Amino acid sequence: EPEVTQTPSHQVTQMGQEVILRCVPISNHLYFYWYRQILGQKVEFLVSFYNNEISEKSEIFDDQFSVERPDGSNFTLKIRSTKLEDSAMYFCASSTTTYEQYFGPGTRLTVT
Amino acid sequence: GENVEQHPSTLSVQEGDSAVIKCTYSDSASNYFPWYKQELGKGPQLIIDIRSNVGEKKDQRIAVTLNKTAKHFSLHITETQPEDSAVYFCAASMGWTGANNLFFGTGTRLTVIP
Repeated sequence: EPEVTQTPSHQVTQMGQEVILRCVPISNHLYFYWYRQILGQKVEFLVSFYNNEISEKSEIFDDQFSVERPDGSNFTLKIRSTKLEDSAMYFCASSTTTYEQYFGPGTRLTVT
Repeated sequence: GENVEQHPSTLSVQEGDSAVIKCTYSDSASNYFPWYKQELGKGPQLIIDIRSNVGEKKDQRIAVTLNKTAKHFSLHITETQPEDSAVYFCAASMGWTGANNLFFGTGTRLTVIP
């Protein structure tokens, strides 16, 4: 069964550094998403991407964040200058329609 | 924006008993309500969903009900098994508009006692 994959599983970075989180969505999916989950809190929407552009973003997704689909298979989330409060589990998801989003296993980002 | 509330936060049941988790939402424009199961160290796994044109949906031991008037929906798990132990999240979205970002509840930690 096809799955969303994410790398790395755990990323440790120093405050102020740039990080890139990588995702490979399910191959025939058209919609791509990033969510994050701070420890003990709700899963929160960051951004959705369709047809090679951002379709929606939350207030969390400020100028420090960007997304890219550099080729036909990868979908990346970049945080330009990480802050302590960016420490969270980041989930990538994909879907064929605007329903039924399938999530990857997540990347745990720790900012020190 | 949409606000999804979920209760209870923890739930313990004996194996074989039923478990019910309830969620409410605030935005009447929401029309899609998925449920996710998250096991330790894994991402949320879609287990069942319901759209606003349906009042109930069942898949083997799990079922979801939706009351649009009251803006609440529930997950029912019957004949619970130890492998059902996990954190369950409800969510809501306005999928039909293309604004399909999911708004999640706070999660329910279900423990099934053998």
